Amino acid sequence: GQQLNQSPQSMFIQEGEDVSMNCTSSSIFNTWLWYKQDPGEGPVLLIALYKAGELTSNGRLTAQFGTTRKDSFLNISASIPSDVGIYFCAGQMGGADGLTFGKGTHLIIQP
Amino acid sequence: NAGVTQTPKFQVLKTGQSMTLQCAQDMNHNSMYWYRQDPGMGLRLIYYSASEGTTDKGEVPNGYNVSRLNKREFSLRLESAAPSQTSVYFCASSDPGRSQYFGAGTRLSVL
Repeated sequence: GQQLNQSPQSMFIQEGEDVSMNCTSSSIFNTWLWYKQDPGEGPVLLIALYKAGELTSNGRLTAQFGTTRKDSFLNISASIPSDVGIYFCAGQMGGADGLTFGKGTHLIIQP
Repeated sequence: NAGVTQTPKFQVLKTGQSMTLQCAQDMNHNSMYWYRQDPGMGLRLIYYSASEGTTDKGEVPNGYNVSRLNKREFSLRLESAAPSQTSVYFCASSDPGRSQYFGAGTRLSVL
């Protein structure tokens, strides 16, 4: 099946640092989504992007839908301990199609 | 404020046993989805239902069946469980073209 390439696989950062992660695809998507998953929980939606070139913020989080529609990035500014978790990108072709997920970026914050 | 509710939360089966995973959503969404998540992987689509009365195969449908019981409920059935079906199963719902919201998951072990 189709795969999204998400990088980095893991990040070890200091509290207060900024974080950047990205996803690339060989195919075009019409929607890009970013989710966070805590241990033992389901993915929680962070940001949804519906238009190529769109830049959207949600508090300290900013995400962009690439102009080629084949990539997206997520930035987290001034990281805090509760940002620890696994971040997933997901792409959707459109309509009621299912999502194609990346393998996740594991964010670890060192005190 | 329930969102997407999955039952059971945990289940252990023996090879060859059958079971049904239940999912219900209270957001009046038209579309519902079943995904599985294996260690170190993103979620993969098993089946989805674009609207009440329709179901379609996703990326990994073999060994599963689904039923869209009504607009609220979408069940996933394992007729003869195999160890390869040990996984965490997530249900999601959305309106077409909009963000998908996930349940907390069912953790299934097949011995």
